[in-house]
Amino acid sequence: QVQLQESGPGLVKPSQTLSLTCTVSGDSISSGNFYWSWIRQRPGKGLEWIGYIFYAGNMKYNPSLESRLTISIDTWKNQFSLRLSSVTAADTALYYCARAVRSVGRFHFDLWGQGTLVTVSS
Amino acid sequence: DIQMTQSPSSLSASIGDRVTIACRASQTISNYLNWYQQKPGKAPKLLISAASTLQSGVPSRFSGSGSGTDFTLTISGLQPEDFASYYCQHSYTIPWTFGQGTKVEI
Repeated sequence: QVQLQESGPGLVKPSQTLSLTCTVSGDSISSGNFYWSWIRQRPGKGLEWIGYIFYAGNMKYNPSLESRLTISIDTWKNQFSLRLSSVTAADTALYYCARAVRSVGRFHFDLWGQGTLVTVSS
Repeated sequence: DIQMTQSPSSLSASIGDRVTIACRASQTISNYLNWYQQKPGKAPKLLISAASTLQSGVPSRFSGSGSGTDFTLTISGLQPEDFASYYCQHSYTIPWTFGQGTKVEI
């Protein structure tokens, strides 16, 4: 079955760039009407959608993060990635990659990675 | 941004109870509303999409209703495995946002 797996450093220093990769296994990242997404959950808090990318390259970002955010896709490696620059302690969170399905103009997240904890600290 | 407000933030219930969780959007979102269940240490799991469409494999004791700004998730006959946190989420406009969550406890 299709699975998502996040990878990347668990510790990032303040002002540096947080970089994570999500590897998709079990299907091609280019197949289907899927929008490959990043979502985070700060400690003890709710869920925050970060952004998504479609295999053709178009993306949407959360405006609150857009100035620091880049989401990219590598269809050859079946991966998509997140880069968040100028991080602060407020970016400490459990980061999930997820697959959003588009159906009649509506989107829902039907598949999630297990999540990876990123701590911003010196 | 569209704000999603869930109520209550937490609730205590017993096995077999009927549980209702409310989610209100700060503006109309038609039925662009999804519900997720999250257990400790796990990723969220999709329960319901488009306000009322039960996902494959999700027990029929879960149901969703509503349209516009007011939505409800109902669990009819709470089971031990249902003790978890529940989140609503809209996809009406960017940015997609989630409710703050409702924790269902014993």
